[in-house]
Amino acid sequence: GAGVSQSPSNKVTEKGKDVELRCDPISGHTALYWYRQSLGQGLEFLIYFQGNSAPDKSGLPSDRFSAERTGGSVSTLTIQRTQQEDSAVYLCASSPGRGTYNEQFFGPGTRLTVL
Amino acid sequence: RKEVEQDPGPFNVPEGATVAFNCTYSNSASQSFFWYRQDCRKEPKLLMSVYSSGNEDGRFTAQLNRASQYISLLIRDSKLSDSATYLCVAFSGYALNFGKGTSLLVTP
Repeated sequence: GAGVSQSPSNKVTEKGKDVELRCDPISGHTALYWYRQSLGQGLEFLIYFQGNSAPDKSGLPSDRFSAERTGGSVSTLTIQRTQQEDSAVYLCASSPGRGTYNEQFFGPGTRLTVL
Repeated sequence: RKEVEQDPGPFNVPEGATVAFNCTYSNSASQSFFWYRQDCRKEPKLLMSVYSSGNEDGRFTAQLNRASQYISLLIRDSKLSDSATYLCVAFSGYALNFGKGTSLLVTP
C-alpha cells in the first residue's frame, strides 16, 4: 500500500519568506509526527498529532513554527519568516496509534534550504 | 545532554566481519526501544525492535539491558548492503527519541 508522502521534496526559499510543508500519512493512521534533521544532527521531535489534536507542541523551536492537521489525515507544517537555521530535512511519520509498541513509518522528507 | 547517546563512528569493517553498536538512554521511563536504519539522503526505516530477552532477526541481534539503560545491536557476516547509519531509538509516551546515529561502512 501507499506509504507516507510529503511535498514538496525540495524547497528553496529566501530568508524571511513563509513556507508550507505537507504530509499525507498512511491511510487509517491516527497518529502523525513531525521531526527535523539538520546536517550532522539527529532527528529532532517537533510535534505530535493524535487525530486532529496536538497534545504536545513543546518541540516546536519557536513561535514561527506552527502545524495543523485536518480530517484526521493531511498535516501542514508552516514556518513563518524563515531563517537560515531553519534549513534542514523535515520528516513526517505516522503510526496506527498510541501504545507501548509504536512503529512509526517515515515519509521521504522535505529538504528545506533557506538562502 | 541528549536523551539517547551513540558512538557516531564511522565503523569501517570488511565484508563478513561482525560489528557491534551500543547506545545508552537517560530516561528510565522509556517504554520501548528500536533500531532504525537510515541510508544516505533517505528516510529512517525500522530495522528491529529491542526486547529485554534479546531478539534476533537473521544476521541481526538486538539486546536491551534496562538496569544499565543500555541497548546493543550486533551484525554478523556483514554485507556491503549493510552500509548505512544505524539509529538507536527510545520511545517515551508518544515521541521517538533518536540518537545521532552510528555510521557503518562495509568494504569489499
